[in-house]
Amino acid sequence: GAVVSQHPSWVICKSGTSVKIECRSLDFQATTMFWYRQFPKQSLMLMATSNEGSKATYEQGVEKDKFLINHASLTLSTLTVTSAHPEDSSFYICSAKRTSGFSYEQYFGPGTRLTVT
Amino acid sequence: AQSVTQLDSQVPVFEEAPVELRCNYSSSVSVYLFWYVQYPNQGLQLLLKYLSGSTLVKGINGFEAEFNKSQTSFHLRKPSVHISDTAEYFCAVSRGDGLTFGKGTHLIIQP
Repeated sequence: GAVVSQHPSWVICKSGTSVKIECRSLDFQATTMFWYRQFPKQSLMLMATSNEGSKATYEQGVEKDKFLINHASLTLSTLTVTSAHPEDSSFYICSAKRTSGFSYEQYFGPGTRLTVT
Repeated sequence: AQSVTQLDSQVPVFEEAPVELRCNYSSSVSVYLFWYVQYPNQGLQLLLKYLSGSTLVKGINGFEAEFNKSQTSFHLRKPSVHISDTAEYFCAVSRGDGLTFGKGTHLIIQP
């Protein structure tokens, strides 16, 4: 099956600093990737859609200047949390969209746990 | 806009008993439907999906789900659960873009 990796798997940073999270599709090319956020014991919320070679599309209520997304290649999307604050602490999960004929599926990465102190 | 409702936040069931996890959705257009499982501190794993065709969909680990358009439901079932099925289960819908998830159902298997 298709594999999506995320790095780092967990990170602790100080308030006011920036953190970059990488999402890679290891065995397929993904023109579209997605970033989700999951608070403890809650569901996943779509933050943004990352399209290779173009600007990301953000969901309502998500600050695009705070959550910078770059999709520079067909296998890599990055999410940078700028000037992180404790309320940004969360589990960030990416997924990569794979289409084949009439089939469509998203493959999820293992997630990155961010703790801001 | 689309939304997903998982009516039960928690479902306890005895080992080897059958289980059904309920999912209802609302959407003004046709959607794709998914069930994912999340084990503690892990990412999501796809159990099964409905894109088109037969309304009864079989997935991994013995799970199956039935798409019911008139009732806008996509309930997940397993005839006999195992202790290893203890996890969080998420129903999700999509029009081919990002997924909209339900709040999840915690399946608790009792010995």
